[in-house]
Amino acid sequence: EADIYQTPRYLVIGTGKKITLECSQTMGHDKMYWYQQDPGMELHLIHYSYGVNSTEKGDLSSESTVSRIRTEHFPLTLESARPSHTSQYLCASRDTGAGELFFGEGSRLTVL
Amino acid sequence: QKEVEQDPGPLSVPEGAIVSLNCTYSNSAFQYFMWYRQYSRKGPELLMYTYSSGNKEDGRFTAQVDKSSKYISLFIRDSQPSDSATYLCAMSAGNQFYFGTGTSLTVIP
Repeated sequence: EADIYQTPRYLVIGTGKKITLECSQTMGHDKMYWYQQDPGMELHLIHYSYGVNSTEKGDLSSESTVSRIRTEHFPLTLESARPSHTSQYLCASRDTGAGELFFGEGSRLTVL
Repeated sequence: QKEVEQDPGPLSVPEGAIVSLNCTYSNSAFQYFMWYRQYSRKGPELLMYTYSSGNKEDGRFTAQVDKSSKYISLFIRDSQPSDSATYLCAMSAGNQFYFGTGTSLTVIP
């Protein structure tokens, strides 16, 4: 069973606000990922990290940033939220050498 | 062309039916294959994980991988109303993952 936690689960904010979505895992996994999920669409990779102080951009990264200061923590920040950011954001992690990817419960963001 | 193709459904079956869910892919480098179950407003839950070709069984669930045809399947036996969810296939080669769009399944009591 995966132990990966995301907060907040639901968030409604106004345009232009700065937000941070939190993700923590207690499994000691090196690799962590942020995906965006919209109905009927495949998951899109936003950012990923292969370990502490390592971050890489995915397909949709241009409007967000991440940090990886601790192994267990991988927060995602939107500097200025827009209605186009309304979506579900999924955090995931996996162990080095293992193939399985484990997901958190998701953060559903609505930008008005 | 998408890396992974999955029929979105929706699929509706009576309780007790055998369900077959499928994905095709184009990248022959994929080695890890996964099936996730996702309930509404929840994150994807890992159901089955297979490395390379072959079958894997876990209770009512069987995952099959045919690398020669680039085709993977998930079978659900004796389907239950609690199996009603969206099922995502996923595969990887290295550190990147590729996902299907999900198949919506409803099991009718």
